[in-house]
Amino acid sequence: AQTVTQSQPEMSVQEAETVTLSCTYDTSENNYYLFWYKQPPSRQMILVIRQEAYKQQNATENRFSVNFQKAAKSFSLKISDSQLGDTAMYFCAFINQAGTALIFGKGTTLSVSS
Amino acid sequence: NAGVTQTPKFQVLKTGQSMTLQCAQDMNHEYMSWYRQDPGMGLRLIHYSVGAGITDQGEVPNGYNVSRSTTEDFPLRLLSAAPSQTSVYFCASSQDRRYDSPLHFGNGTRLTVT
Repeated sequence: AQTVTQSQPEMSVQEAETVTLSCTYDTSENNYYLFWYKQPPSRQMILVIRQEAYKQQNATENRFSVNFQKAAKSFSLKISDSQLGDTAMYFCAFINQAGTALIFGKGTTLSVSS
Repeated sequence: NAGVTQTPKFQVLKTGQSMTLQCAQDMNHEYMSWYRQDPGMGLRLIHYSVGAGITDQGEVPNGYNVSRSTTEDFPLRLLSAAPSQTSVYFCASSQDRRYDSPLHFGNGTRLTVT
């Protein structure tokens, strides 16, 4: 069975700093997708970034980038130039190629302060 | 462009009462799903549907029923509410069940069972 582990329940960072959120997963499958979702206090779930396991190049979306280490089964999210609006809970998620298993980690609460 | 619409946003029930959480999407998505979010637990899949007339159980289906009579709607029914069902419920949809189809989430329903 697949699992997703986020080992940092809470993190805090100052505005303009860089922060990295950790995510590890376990699977025996060879191809799959990994996602980071953001949930601000409004409760809305927002897709931040996604990475296909076959692609070696790390995904980047503006200030958000990932460090995907397939062999180590690690998928960390780096937020550069942190902004107050980045304050949210962040979920790492895994989905297998057949689409039969979409699993979320337990989340990391990120607080950005001025 | 409404996306995924969930109603109600908040609901309080007494133990033993029944109710239906509504979910509708206007994107002609084939795949729809229900998750519950509990503190420290991430999101857990309750039920999902890969198309009209087809539903299946997820990780935590007990106490919940679903049906999918149309592509647009995917209601979640609680037949006899229990305090353990106090949670935030999210409906999500995607183009299909393919692993590269990102999920679109509704804004959630906060349910309290007393």
